Amino acid sequence: DAGVTQSPTHLIKTRGQQVTLRCSPKSGHDTVSWYQQALGQGPQFIFQYYEEEERQRGNFPDRFSGHQFPNYSSELNVNALLLGDSALYLCASSPKGGNGGTEAFFGQGTRLTVV
Amino acid sequence: AQSVTQLDSQVPVFEEAPVELRCNYSSSVSVYLFWYVQYPNQGLQLLLKYLSGSTLVESINGFEAEFNKSQTSFHLRKPSVHISDTAEYFCAVEYAGKSTFGDGTTLTVKP
Repeated sequence: DAGVTQSPTHLIKTRGQQVTLRCSPKSGHDTVSWYQQALGQGPQFIFQYYEEEERQRGNFPDRFSGHQFPNYSSELNVNALLLGDSALYLCASSPKGGNGGTEAFFGQGTRLTVV
Repeated sequence: AQSVTQLDSQVPVFEEAPVELRCNYSSSVSVYLFWYVQYPNQGLQLLLKYLSGSTLVESINGFEAEFNKSQTSFHLRKPSVHISDTAEYFCAVEYAGKSTFGDGTTLTVKP
């Protein structure tokens, strides 16, 4: 089992551009959550996908959007990039809808740098 | 809404000494409690979790945490640390599938 895989591992974009990050969940997991981790801070919840729909959302602007595919993989899209979007983006997968204290498995993240 | 406060941003300690990483949380509803560890340039790995039952939970590598409902705390302890325990540690609470993390504690174990 490859666990949670994210791509790419590193990315450099210019302010104003758009970016797409990808995540494949751990085998058997149906729920994907995305987090933004700025330098020196804990992960901040962006949103969660279950059954191909956004189920919960954190305090992030509409520039952040996502998608979940029938095979449970997911994409995070960020439009009109700002310098402040530079961070490590983490994907976490969990089984059974992700509720009830089920363990979330994290990928190694995508390091996004906006210049 | 939930919030998590990790009271120490950095904890330096000598090898084989005991350590405590402190975590307080705030929530108007019952939550599940977690500790995660993050090594450099890696994602988070679950260290231990409290769901219900005994308030003392243990991990396979010697860490333990105690849930204190009255003090809304979930402090992490280890009686004797190793160099390999050097990492960033995050306390988190989960409610309805959404996890809220603290800002982390950097544990540095010195020889």
